[in-house]
Amino acid sequence: DTAVSQTPKYLVTQMGNDKSIKCEQNLGHDTMYWYKQDSKKFLKIMFSYNNKELIINETVPNRFSPKSPDKAHLNLHINSLELGDSAVYFCASSPRTLDSPLHFGNGTRLTVT
Amino acid sequence: QKEVEQNSGPLSVPEGAIASLNCTYSDRGSQSFFWYRQYSGKSPELIMFIYSNGDKEDGRFTAQLNKASQYVSLLIRDSQPSDSATYLCAVSVNAGNMLTFGGGTRLMVKP
Repeated sequence: DTAVSQTPKYLVTQMGNDKSIKCEQNLGHDTMYWYKQDSKKFLKIMFSYNNKELIINETVPNRFSPKSPDKAHLNLHINSLELGDSAVYFCASSPRTLDSPLHFGNGTRLTVT
Repeated sequence: QKEVEQNSGPLSVPEGAIASLNCTYSDRGSQSFFWYRQYSGKSPELIMFIYSNGDKEDGRFTAQLNKASQYVSLLIRDSQPSDSATYLCAVSVNAGNMLTFGGGTRLMVKP
């Protein structure tokens, strides 16, 4: 199946830990993203990564770092997790074409206790 | 001021009625507009996109764009209970694909 897949689906961890979420797309898209959806369902862009160019939303703490080993993968590493990091994190991809729709992964529900 | 605004709802309509979902945006330079549907616990899925002023129809869905008023809407005709979901408006406010989402409108279609 062609898709955007992310793992794990659920992640429960304690404050202060470091965790990673993995994302892979086999759609041949050039651009990948990470979005955060909080408890109020607001989807906010965190990062955009296109051809090794990283665009960071300035409101994202530097504890969050995206890592892209190749065009098909964009992982999200989070250091020193905080309670406020609890949310659903969505990976997405799109073709390089300007203003193309996003294709979302199924999300990772992160719970920090 | 939020860049993309939607009424959070819930918007409740009877089965078979027309549901009208509205979205306003603040950046006059926005070029592309998207409607996503999100069921509870699921990821957003694209319903429609529109780039030009006017109406765009796809089955039971019609997107309407008025750039002068900075307003985009989604009409769902013959609403079904399966349409019950949160509808997210998204706008491309930068050159490129950095979509900014509204907070979503929860639609409830009652049998």
